[in-house]
Amino acid sequence: QVHLVQSGAETRKPGASVKVSCKVSGNNFSKYPIYWVRLGPGQRLEWMGWINVGNGFTKYSQKFQGRVIISRDTFASTAYLELSSLRSEDTAVYYCARYYGDHEALDFWGQGTMITVSS
Amino acid sequence: DIEMTQSPLSLSVTPGEPASISCRSSQSLLHSNGYKYLGWYLQKPGQSPQLLIYLGSNRASGVPDRFSGSGSGTDFTLKISRVEAEDVGLYYCMQTLQIPQTFGQGTKVEIK
Repeated sequence: QVHLVQSGAETRKPGASVKVSCKVSGNNFSKYPIYWVRLGPGQRLEWMGWINVGNGFTKYSQKFQGRVIISRDTFASTAYLELSSLRSEDTAVYYCARYYGDHEALDFWGQGTMITVSS
Repeated sequence: DIEMTQSPLSLSVTPGEPASISCRSSQSLLHSNGYKYLGWYLQKPGQSPQLLIYLGSNRASGVPDRFSGSGSGTDFTLKISRVEAEDVGLYYCMQTLQIPQTFGQGTKVEIK
């Protein structure tokens, strides 16, 4: 069975950065892209970007361009989301999810990581 | 960006009764390969979202057959034939045709 396990909740001050990890087990890590999606209070789910874990290619939402870096460590079967210049509006639960290309959908999700931005 | 609009935003259903959620996209989600790049997800209270339906009408592995998806290029429907208590939560549609991939606002389903 495929599992995505994310790092724990974090609190940051405005202007700081945060890095969230997503460890994948139970499948060929390099085969499936990893997406990052967030859910802010009272907001809808929001796609942030994805990484082709095989070759490291990334694509980001224009909304986060310049503030987000998605990376991976293939030896650790782990993907990362780093968000910088944090503001209060970035307070949200951040999810990683596996993208299954045959179904063009996110078939396995991490448990979510709560990021709170507060002074 | 493709805008996704769901309706209703909330739904209160008697157990055993049917329920239906609509999702409309601002552009057609029909790919040149003939597939509709629309998925449905359910986020149960305290849990991560889970995939229910992919490519418009295909049930994901382990999803009960009371869930079904249908639709054209821009208008999609998720139907629950007989709602059960475990079906409560937030339902989202998501388009994966174009970047940025976008979600509907979510529909909250509760039991009467």
